[in-house]
Amino acid sequence: SSELTQDPAVSVALGQTVRITCQGDSLRNYYASWYQQKPGQAPLLVMYDENIRPSGIPDRFSGSSSGNTASLFIAGAQAEDEADYYCNSRDSGENHVLFGGGTKLTVL
Amino acid sequence: QVHLNQWGARLLQPSETLSLKCAVYGGSFDFYYWTWIRQTPGKGLEWLGEINQSGTINYNPSLSSRVSISVDTSNNHFLLRLISVTAADTAVYYCARGVHRRHPPSRFYQYMDVWDKGTTVTVSS
Repeated sequence: SSELTQDPAVSVALGQTVRITCQGDSLRNYYASWYQQKPGQAPLLVMYDENIRPSGIPDRFSGSSSGNTASLFIAGAQAEDEADYYCNSRDSGENHVLFGGGTKLTVL
Repeated sequence: QVHLNQWGARLLQPSETLSLKCAVYGGSFDFYYWTWIRQTPGKGLEWLGEINQSGTINYNPSLSSRVSISVDTSNNHFLLRLISVTAADTAVYYCARGVHRRHPPSRFYQYMDVWDKGTTVTVSS
């Protein structure tokens, strides 16, 4: 199946750690990338490859992968982390790009 | 610092053709996949397709009969055309730079690291 599945919504208490997951068969061949999107803004890349943060992304963001599941962790979540998060991968068989449906993160 | 800027018609009538152009400033046009993505109101991201400098093109299968992407390497532009638009094509359209690499020994990774700010295209009669 060439789909990526995310939980629609996740919440975390301020300062706590949250895990956002993404599942799909393509993740057995491709490491996920992760994007943060705030209202009215373009998506921002926050994680790629196995666990690489682009310049400027705080080190409280980390990533991991196991089997068909990729995870984005935010340690010590801040109010400014409240956003939609999308995972992204590629279907190598069909050579097209996949996005998960997005997870809305609420910081309580 | 690479940045992207797109332009094109923002209000279309049903059955017309959507045409958007994205210019790449401040970086190489080579070694990347130049990508179009859209987001319908209140919904998630939808990949439309990509092209690299050698003309390799991949399209979203659900749109492949209506979409075409081309590249103008002499001007560092890439273009999106979507024919026979309907209200369902109303969305924010983004252009982005895509990277697709091998992660030895046996896996890969891909991501879009540079995005433009997006253009809202409305289809309405």
